[in-house]
Amino acid sequence: SQQGEEDPQALSIQEGENATMNCSYKTSINNLQWYRQNSGRGLVHLILIRSNEREKHSGRLRVTLDTSKKSSSLLITASRAADTASYFCATDGGDKIIFGKGTRLHILP
Amino acid sequence: EAGVAQSPRYKIIEKRQSVAFWCNPISGHATLYWYQQILGQGPKLLIQFQNNGVVDDSQLPKDRFSAERLKGVDSTLKIQPAKLEDSAVYLCASSLGASGNTIYFGEGSWLTVV
Repeated sequence: SQQGEEDPQALSIQEGENATMNCSYKTSINNLQWYRQNSGRGLVHLILIRSNEREKHSGRLRVTLDTSKKSSSLLITASRAADTASYFCATDGGDKIIFGKGTRLHILP
Repeated sequence: EAGVAQSPRYKIIEKRQSVAFWCNPISGHATLYWYQQILGQGPKLLIQFQNNGVVDDSQLPKDRFSAERLKGVDSTLKIQPAKLEDSAVYLCASSLGASGNTIYFGEGSWLTVV
């Protein structure tokens, strides 16, 4: 299965610190996306990184992709209380997009 | 731009009853998805439509679940009869195309089967 698997499952950090989440997958992909889900809400797209890209930035977000290791990381810098949410990676193999189980991030005041 | 609309937002039914969820995707989006998300887990794809044709329904429990996309726009997901393990959030999503595109999600329909 190409399903991504996030690590850690849960993460608690102090406000202002950086948060890093990782995603590993098993088969080749066309691109990988990260989504955020606030409690009780739908998923919101954060960033898409293509298989020929190694790093991408969007505001306080930095995503890396290592296709040789079949892994990706999402870094959120200078975390805020509003960043408390679940974060999912979604792997796109061209025929379907599969979501991982997510990392639950809790920002402590 | 209007987002993905879903209804109802919440539904409680008894086991063996039936339920239907409705979804209106973003205008112009050819691809429509139905995901099932059980509490604490990631979304699991149930069915994917490209216009009004089914692209993938490999994880749809076809003995009890059915879905259709009328005229390639709105879609309905039906469960009949419901089981306790069907308690989950049913997320509808849409995108311009099947690959390499942002997926836009609705707020979800919360189903509790008692």
